[in-house]
Amino acid sequence: DTEVTQTPKHLVMGMTNKKSLKCEQHMGHRAMYWYKQKAKKPPELMFVYSYEKLSINESVPSRFSPECPNSSLLNLHLHALQPEDSALYLCASSQAGTGAGNTIYFGEGSWLTVV
Amino acid sequence: AQSVAQPEDQVNVAEGNPLTVKCTYSVSGNPYLFWYVQYPNRGLQFLLKYITGDNLVKGSYGFEAEFNKSQTSFHLKKPSALVSDSALYFCAVRDPGSNYQLIWGAGTKLIIKP
Repeated sequence: DTEVTQTPKHLVMGMTNKKSLKCEQHMGHRAMYWYKQKAKKPPELMFVYSYEKLSINESVPSRFSPECPNSSLLNLHLHALQPEDSALYLCASSQAGTGAGNTIYFGEGSWLTVV
Repeated sequence: AQSVAQPEDQVNVAEGNPLTVKCTYSVSGNPYLFWYVQYPNRGLQFLLKYITGDNLVKGSYGFEAEFNKSQTSFHLKKPSALVSDSALYFCAVRDPGSNYQLIWGAGTKLIIKP
């Protein structure tokens, strides 16, 4: 069972709504990630936080806004999304810092549908 | 350019037979290789990784993978397939310039038939 917990599991939102995806990990990791995955495709990296600071932003549109309140929590705030943003959003965590062999552990994901 | 190739979109295997899911990579420096599995409507689960050492790596659910440096391959194997192994399998390699980014293969759908 994964130790990365994501809520909600499913979310339907209109294009003018504001919603948030939440993620919590209990592995003591100091790096946390947001990925976007379309059906049957590999996940695409969106953001990485390392020691609670934004380390990587893969040129994600500003309608996606990440937040890392503490070392265990990661949020993704959503506003004015487009239907093409509908996807599975995966949170993940790993040890931080140097260590190319660090394993990234994923949550079960949040299924987002934008209508 | 760094890349990972999974040459088969789909692999079909009869239950009880051995299975192989292929992965080849192209990366500068030492490769750090990973296999993940994704069951229908689920997140990705880590199966195993190769960092250094023994070329045969054992992982979860009876899976193993063989690192072959000369062929730049990291094929996933299991001696006896189960219907429950049916899933989407992703191979990935660490981006040499990053501690956090993975380069992913396109994925291989594994179907185990009873």
